[in-house]
Amino acid sequence: AQSVTQPDIHITVSEGASLELRCNYSYGATPYLFWYVQSPGQGLQLLLKYFSGDTLVQGIKGFEAEFKRSQSSFNLRKPSVHWSDAAEYFCAVGNTGTASKLTFGTGTRLQVTL
Amino acid sequence: DAMVIQNPRYQVTQFGKPVTLSCSQTLNHNVMYWYQQKSSQAPKLLFHYYDKDFNNEADTPDNFQSRRPNTSFCFLDIRSPGLGDAAMYLCATSRALVTEAFFGQGTRLTVV
Repeated sequence: AQSVTQPDIHITVSEGASLELRCNYSYGATPYLFWYVQSPGQGLQLLLKYFSGDTLVQGIKGFEAEFKRSQSSFNLRKPSVHWSDAAEYFCAVGNTGTASKLTFGTGTRLQVTL
Repeated sequence: DAMVIQNPRYQVTQFGKPVTLSCSQTLNHNVMYWYQQKSSQAPKLLFHYYDKDFNNEADTPDNFQSRRPNTSFCFLDIRSPGLGDAAMYLCATSRALVTEAFFGQGTRLTVV
């Protein structure tokens, strides 16, 4: 069975600082990987996805993520964080044939200080 | 804008009283999903429809049922809500099983 680990429960960064959120997955074949963002009391918004091809994926709101098969990782990055980026971030994995049946990590809550 | 709409956004129900949550989509997607997200936890898939085909996750309690009368609408029925069913319920759609999922805003269910 597939699984996702987000080691950091809570991260605080200063506005303008760079950000990296960690995600490790467990899946036997090539996974489909996603990052979603959730503001308090809201649904999930897709930031970016990896299905195949270029391992560096660009998303919305200036986010990017890099798929590293050797490390089973799909870390999310942003060069300069804005206060509006404060939210919960979920990494998710889908398997071959059912990419959109998602297994989520437990999430990382991002706090941005001014 | 094409989107996934969940109604109501907040629902309060009594312990043991059946409740129905609604999801509609204007994306014309084939697949619709229901996820349960308890406080400070990851969303957990309950079941999905591919067109009219219903697929239940193995560990979804029998207390949870779903209906999809047409492409646009999908309902989540909780037959006898318990206090442990209080959660955010998220509806999602995807064009196919191998494409990304788009989520609604969720319905927060409170059981009193």
